[in-house]
Amino acid sequence: SYVLTQPPSVSVAPGQTARIPCGENNIGLKSVHWYQQKPGQAPVVVVYDDSDRPSGIPERFSGSNTGNTATLTISRVEAGDEADYYCQVWDSSTDHYVFGTGTKVTVL
Amino acid sequence: QVQLRESGPGLVRPSQTLSLTCTVSGGSISSHRFSWSWIRQPAGKGLEWIGHLYATGRTSYNPSLKSRVTISMDTSNNHFSLMVNSVTAADTAVYYCARVTGNALFQSWGQGTLVTVS
Repeated sequence: SYVLTQPPSVSVAPGQTARIPCGENNIGLKSVHWYQQKPGQAPVVVVYDDSDRPSGIPERFSGSNTGNTATLTISRVEAGDEADYYCQVWDSSTDHYVFGTGTKVTVL
Repeated sequence: QVQLRESGPGLVRPSQTLSLTCTVSGGSISSHRFSWSWIRQPAGKGLEWIGHLYATGRTSYNPSLKSRVTISMDTSNNHFSLMVNSVTAADTAVYYCARVTGNALFQSWGQGTLVTVS
């Protein structure tokens, strides 16, 4: 079955860049979506279709997807970016939806 | 602006059936532009996709839960439902419903509801 692997945690200083990988064999062939989840809240889309941003999401959030790794990049990190982040794909071969294991971003 | 709201018992006894409803407002669950999903999250853990419902009524389930899960729709009341049979403490989680777009994006989420099995 499809498993999307993310590092459990990423720490970054304010103003620096956080990069969150999401790995699976040939994930570059799929469309990857990214969600931000703050404590006690439902997830919110921050990037969809690998690299597009919904309206209202800062340009500091960007995404890429090639080969075996998709990456969410948060530039100029702010304290308010501290949250859990999840990648997600749809596996067309099984019609199953898969979430990544999740990454907690800590702003130092 | 679509809104989703989960409802159902917050406490379920072991071996019983967990039943939740997701009421949708601001959009029809019969629309073929969208489909609908249930997701859960145990405390301190990640998101787990439970299952999916298409406007045609077709369903798809997480293999790890498939034998115990049923998702159905009620178009007259514009809601869809989740049933999980034979629950154990491992089914304790916050349960979310979501609207999914044609590119498999979980675009809109309910606020979530905590279900405790005890």
